[in-house]
Amino acid sequence: QSALTQPPSASGSPGQSVTISCTGTSSDVGGYNYVSWYQQHPGKAPKLMIYEVSKRPSGVPDRFSGSKSGNTASLTVSGLQAEDEADYYCSSYAGSNTSFGGGTKLTVL
Amino acid sequence: QVQLQESGPGLVKPSETLSLTCTVSGGSISSYYWSWIRQPAGKGLEWIGRIYTSGSTNYNPSLKSRVTMSVDTSKNQFSLKLSSVTAADTAVYYCARDKVTLWFGEFKGYGMDVWGQGTTVTVSS
Repeated sequence: QSALTQPPSASGSPGQSVTISCTGTSSDVGGYNYVSWYQQHPGKAPKLMIYEVSKRPSGVPDRFSGSKSGNTASLTVSGLQAEDEADYYCSSYAGSNTSFGGGTKLTVL
Repeated sequence: QVQLQESGPGLVKPSETLSLTCTVSGGSISSYYWSWIRQPAGKGLEWIGRIYTSGSTNYNPSLKSRVTMSVDTSKNQFSLKLSSVTAADTAVYYCARDKVTLWFGEFKGYGMDVWGQGTTVTVSS
């Protein structure tokens, strides 16, 4: 059982926006602003998309954005494109420990 | 740019020790934290632990009793040993650069920004 809870699936049509949630506790997501999001295509290694709740690494499109409210972090993908179809994982740094969510499969309809 | 490559046996017998090495190329291993993550087929990611180039480690509490990590800065490599393996340890194992800083005792995590391609380890007799 993952420490962080994500919905198993999400979907949207091209051009639409979709938001994926990641719920933890006050000891991880709620207690620290060190939430990251990863994108993983089938058979590939994960790719860092968001760090420190809402910051994007160089090269990540600004269609990807992150936020946090209380114990829940969120990843929003705007202007959905076919290549956004992938698994998405949240991660939280809580002290010296790190945990991942169970993952959300994003389908572009 | 920095690249990571995992290496090690693809098949390990139950009760034995899984040993993997991650080689860092295109940059120095020094002054960074490095993590191991695994992913069973069709399942999610699990953080195993991290090591700093000084040798300081943090392990996932659920695996701590079986995990040992080490670093060899002269070879630009870091390693993972997982003892007493069972079929539940069958997974793709990834190494990654972990952008963590330790500031007055507080860990600040900025994500794992470089990943290896992953290596499949099967535990079976």
